[in-house]
Amino acid sequence: RKEVEQDPGPFNVPEGATVAFNCTYSNSASQSFFWYRQDCRKEPKLLMSVYSSGNEDGRFTAQLNRASQYISLLIRDSKLSDSATYLCVVGGKLIFGQGTELSVKP
Amino acid sequence: NAGVTQTPKFQVLKTGQSMTLQCAQDMNHEYMSWYRQDPGMGLRLIHYSVGAGITDQGEVPNGYNVSRSTTEDFPLRLLSAAPSQTSVYFCASSAGSGFSYEQYFGPGTRLTVT
Repeated sequence: RKEVEQDPGPFNVPEGATVAFNCTYSNSASQSFFWYRQDCRKEPKLLMSVYSSGNEDGRFTAQLNRASQYISLLIRDSKLSDSATYLCVVGGKLIFGQGTELSVKP
Repeated sequence: NAGVTQTPKFQVLKTGQSMTLQCAQDMNHEYMSWYRQDPGMGLRLIHYSVGAGITDQGEVPNGYNVSRSTTEDFPLRLLSAAPSQTSVYFCASSAGSGFSYEQYFGPGTRLTVT
């Protein structure tokens, strides 16, 4: 089993849709969790950290489920500009998932 | 601040050649790391450094060397290039006393080994 696994997608959704990504991790001792966004052929950039109590930033909500060892990212009211690959990252050594591709269509 | 810079942006090597990928950051970050990204594989950690003079191996270190003589610079050396090292290479840096901080990435180096 990979340390961090994501559904690679692609997720094709219309503008305004709500879409959710999950990411499972194998190391139960992991303490740090992040979502990064990567635009085509560009460097990844931090979207948001994931806190134990869950956290929200505008249209984006991140949650952590330690019992089932997964983190999630919910995007509400999708915009065309949300089209990108979303990478989940699990620390200590920052293990990246393979990324989930999102394509938002008009 | 320039952030994290990488050179070159593109490189083509022949099998067996060696080269150094340059990475520099001007944010006074202690932690720096090198990743490679291949289709369907996500980013994989090659080597990392927790400060000047200290380096350690990541997930896929074979065929690569690093050194950290200054806080700012963290070059990655390919000793004898192989086609399997064709990839996009990202350098990153972060502040703080661990990997629980935001990683800032450079723009990447696209390497092709023929």
